[in-house]
Amino acid sequence: SYELTQAPSVSVSPGQTASITCSGDKLGDEYVSWYQQKPGQSPVLVIYQDIKRPSGIPERFSGSNSGNTATLTISGTQAMDEADYYCQAWDSSTVGVFGGGTKLTVL
Amino acid sequence: EVQLVESGGGLVQPGRSLRLSCTASGFTFDDYAMHWVRQAPGKGLEWVSGIRWNSGSIAYADSVKGRFTISRDNAKNSLYLQMNSLRAEDTAFYYCAKDAGYDNYWYFDLWGRGTLVTVSS
Repeated sequence: SYELTQAPSVSVSPGQTASITCSGDKLGDEYVSWYQQKPGQSPVLVIYQDIKRPSGIPERFSGSNSGNTATLTISGTQAMDEADYYCQAWDSSTVGVFGGGTKLTVL
Repeated sequence: EVQLVESGGGLVQPGRSLRLSCTASGFTFDDYAMHWVRQAPGKGLEWVSGIRWNSGSIAYADSVKGRFTISRDNAKNSLYLQMNSLRAEDTAFYYCAKDAGYDNYWYFDLWGRGTLVTVSS
């Protein structure tokens, strides 16, 4: 079965750029979406189809996907961005796969 | 208001069954595929099952295949998950999630608050 790998944790200083990566075999051939989840809350879509931002998501969130790695980038990270982030893709277009999640800490 | 509301969770013994429901409002339910995603306490997200707008195509995670059944009633704006032969490892918050597409799976653009299922004797 298809697997997506994320680092368990990433730390960033306020105002700096955070990069959260997601790796999988030929991941660049698939669309990747990213979800933010804060403690006690449901996940929220922050990036879809690799690079697109839903309405209401700040411009500091951006995405890319090439080769075997997709990246969620948060520019000018704010304290409110501290959360768990999950990448997601489809295996054979029908089976959903999530990465293990990355806990972003804003120090 | 656009929302998804799950219900039906609770404490159940191993080997027993439970049926979850998700009621949608604020959008045209039968225009979209729908999914169940679960999250064990303190763990990551796990996709469980998806169903296309007309129930014409259904998919399951290997971990629940043969035990769980997803269904929908478009007339009632409702999504269901019938869970049989429950195991301790099925303990999780179960989220209902709306897909942005109807005939292909794209991404989850709306999530419910979740309902907790606890499997324990």
